[in-house]
This record gives sequence, C-alpha cells and structure tokens, in this order.
Amino acid sequence: LAKTTQPISMDSYEGQEVNITCSHNNIATNDYITWYQQFPSQGPRFIIQGYKTKVTNEVASLFIPADRKSSTLSLPRVSLSDTAVYYCLVGPGFQKLVFGTGTRLLVSP
Amino acid sequence: NAGVMQNPRHLVRRRGQEARLRCSPMKGHSHVYWYRQLPEEGLKFMVYLQKENIIDESGMPKERFSAEFPKEGPSILRIQQVVRGDSAAYFCASSPPDRGVEEQFFGPGTRLTVL
Repeated sequence: LAKTTQPISMDSYEGQEVNITCSHNNIATNDYITWYQQFPSQGPRFIIQGYKTKVTNEVASLFIPADRKSSTLSLPRVSLSDTAVYYCLVGPGFQKLVFGTGTRLLVSP
Repeated sequence: NAGVMQNPRHLVRRRGQEARLRCSPMKGHSHVYWYRQLPEEGLKFMVYLQKENIIDESGMPKERFSAEFPKEGPSILRIQQVVRGDSAAYFCASSPPDRGVEEQFFGPGTRLTVL
C-alpha cells in the first residue's frame, strides 16, 4: 500500500480556505485517494474520494494532478467546527484502510 | 438508519482480565473492520471480517486477541489477559456487501483502559 506524507499540523482562521496537500509518490494504478476527518473522541468520517482530476462535494474539493503523485484537499471557508485531524489514505478503497498520523487543523476565530 | 454502534463506550479492566468489545454494523452492511488507535497516533488496521469469516487478520497481534462476526449478533473483539499496552481506542467500521470502492463507516469507538 502506498505511503502518504502530509503536514503534521496547520493553522487557519474562520472564513479562510484551507488546502492540505498529501504526497503519495508510489501510488498504484488501482489506488484511489480518500480523505477522512476525525474529531476528538470520535471515529473517522469519510470526506471525499477521487481517482484523478477534480472531485467536489458539499463539504470539500479534491484536486489530483495528472501524475497522481500528490493530492490536495480543499476546505472552503472553514469554521471553528472544522478543527480536526485530516487523514489522506491511498489504496484500492476497500478492505483495510492505512492511516498515517494525519494533519491537525486548528481553526481560530 | 442507525450508524455503527459500539459498546461499551468506555471499558476499564485490570491487568490479566478479559475485555470484550462489541460492534453492530450499519443495517445491510456485511463487512466489519476493527482498528486500534493509540494516543496521538493514526488508526491501525487489525482485522477484516465478513459474516462467519475472517478475511484479513494481518494486523492482529498473534496472541491474546481474537475476533468474530457470527451469523447472528454483533462482531466481537476479544482481548484475553489484558496488559497496560492494550489501553487504546478501538474502532469498528462497516461497509456494504457490494464490491468496489466505497467508504467505511466508523463507530464512536470503545476506549479501553487497563489499570
């Protein structure tokens, strides 16, 4: 399974756009890129998943360049409630998920 | 549609006792996964089960840990003779039976504390 690298932490303010980049140089042809969000004392929650180009849902956008060796999760106009740990996962999308240490996002007023 | 349910939410055991963690998947889901999370770390895969079958237990410690997902009832993660190092949050996730790319739905977790 491809290894991922993402920043340990990020700080932002309410109303700003936050972009979290994840590197996955060894991504395989059948791998998808998935992002999960985890609040303290809760289980992770699926945010978005993509294979290439751009995916957008009501919560976030996911940008994947043509070489797929990295991806960027974009959170528009963050609020205090977006303070959480964000995990970038790369894999075939089913069976076991491989979590790294994630990115701790702190949103301040 | 209720989400993934886990109980108990908090469990305290003394060293040497047994811990039983239960997971009821979402309705219609036949795939169950167990993960363990130590403080300040990401989740680590333990085991993947379907009804009455263990599909992948590559993340399970070789001793003291076992898991089952019977035909009827919840999935059980059992830890025998617990030690302090077993203290962690244990999360269960489920997914529907259709193969292909899909998300896993996580429960709230069971926080095990070993005294």
